[in-house]
Order: sequence, then structure tokens, then C-alpha cells
Amino acid sequence: KNQVEQSPQSLIILEGKNCTLQCNYTVSPFSNLRWYKQDTGRGPVSLTIMTFSENTKSNGRYTATLDADTKQSSLHITASQLSDSASYICVVSAWRGGSYIPTFGRGTSLIVHP
Amino acid sequence: DTEVTQTPKHLVMGMTNKKSLKCEQHMGHRAMYWYKQKAKKPPELMFVYSYEKLSINESVPSRFSPECPNSSLLNLHLHALQPEDSALYLCASSPGSGISYEQYFGPGTRLTVT
Repeated sequence: KNQVEQSPQSLIILEGKNCTLQCNYTVSPFSNLRWYKQDTGRGPVSLTIMTFSENTKSNGRYTATLDADTKQSSLHITASQLSDSASYICVVSAWRGGSYIPTFGRGTSLIVHP
Repeated sequence: DTEVTQTPKHLVMGMTNKKSLKCEQHMGHRAMYWYKQKAKKPPELMFVYSYEKLSINESVPSRFSPECPNSSLLNLHLHALQPEDSALYLCASSPGSGISYEQYFGPGTRLTVT
């Protein structure tokens, strides 16, 4: 069964600090891995997308890494801001039935305090 | 236009009602998706339309009926729902079936079944 596990479940940091979120997956056959940011009650917003051959992808203060051998990914947030408070979801897709079918992690809830 | 819109934002319906959720995108995307998200849980895939044809139905009960009248519009028809169907319903679209194609999410419709 395809699964995506994220850790930690929740995280509290002070504004300006860095943090790293983890994602382990057992999705097969692997197609791509995405990180989303979701504010409460809103739709997810894409941060990064990586395919098998990509190891690192950056988007401003967000940097994602992918190790396809160990099936692990991380999302590093630098110089955190209050607006970074949200749920961060790791999504791994597999090709099935003519579409890329995503498996969602349960997310890491990040709270940034002033 | 680079967004996915969903209407209504909120919907309250009784178990005997018939209602519809609407999703629209004008980005020329050829794949569209319906997800269901319960509080503090990740989105669950319900349906995938590829080139206006239903390609994936994740064993969704027949009280949910999707429809794709054209490439820009995706509807979800609701009938005889149960209180446990109360959730945030998210629509997403992507340019097509390419491996690095991103999914763009709408803001969601908050559905309450009484």
C-alpha cells in the first residue's frame, strides 16, 4: 500500500529561526514528489515539485531535497516568518490509469511565534 | 487567469437535498480532480478527469456524481448525503499528464450536511 509519512506532526519555532520537515514514502512506481503549504480552511498551495532525477529544488526561503534511493524528502524553511504558520503537506504521485495519482501525507503543522 | 475557482464557498444541505458544487479554471488545463478533506486530515482523492473523461473513481459512493461538461468546468452533484460527508471539498487542475505537471488547487467548498 502506498504511504507517505511526515514528521514531526507539529512544530513550534520562533520567528527568524530555521526548521526542517521530513517526509518518508513507500509509493510505487514513484513519479514525483511535491510539497504544499495549506492554511486552515484553504486549498493547498504548491511550494516545490521534484521528479526522480532531481535532488534539490528551491523556492525562495523554501528548499526541498529528495533522496530517491532512501525514499526520503525534506523541506527546509529559512528565516521563518509569522506567515509561515500553516500545515505543510508532502505528496508523492504514482502513475496509474492514465493519470498521476497522489498520495498525501498527514502534514506537519508549523506554528511560528513572534 | 491563473487560478481555480470554486462555488459556493459554503454550503449547508439536508440529507434529502440535491445540490451541486462547481469548479472552474481557464488555464487550459486538461486534467481536473475532486478531493474530500476532513478536519486535520490530508485531502482524499475522489475523482480524476483527463481530457473531459472520467479516468479515476476512487470507489466513491454513488451519492456523489461528477460531471465534466467541458474542459474548463467540473461539477460535483450531491444527493442524499450523510452527515459524515461534511467536509472541505477541493477541486484541482493540472496542465495534463506530464510527470512534472503541477496541481493547482481551488479554495474549496465547505459542506455541512444536517
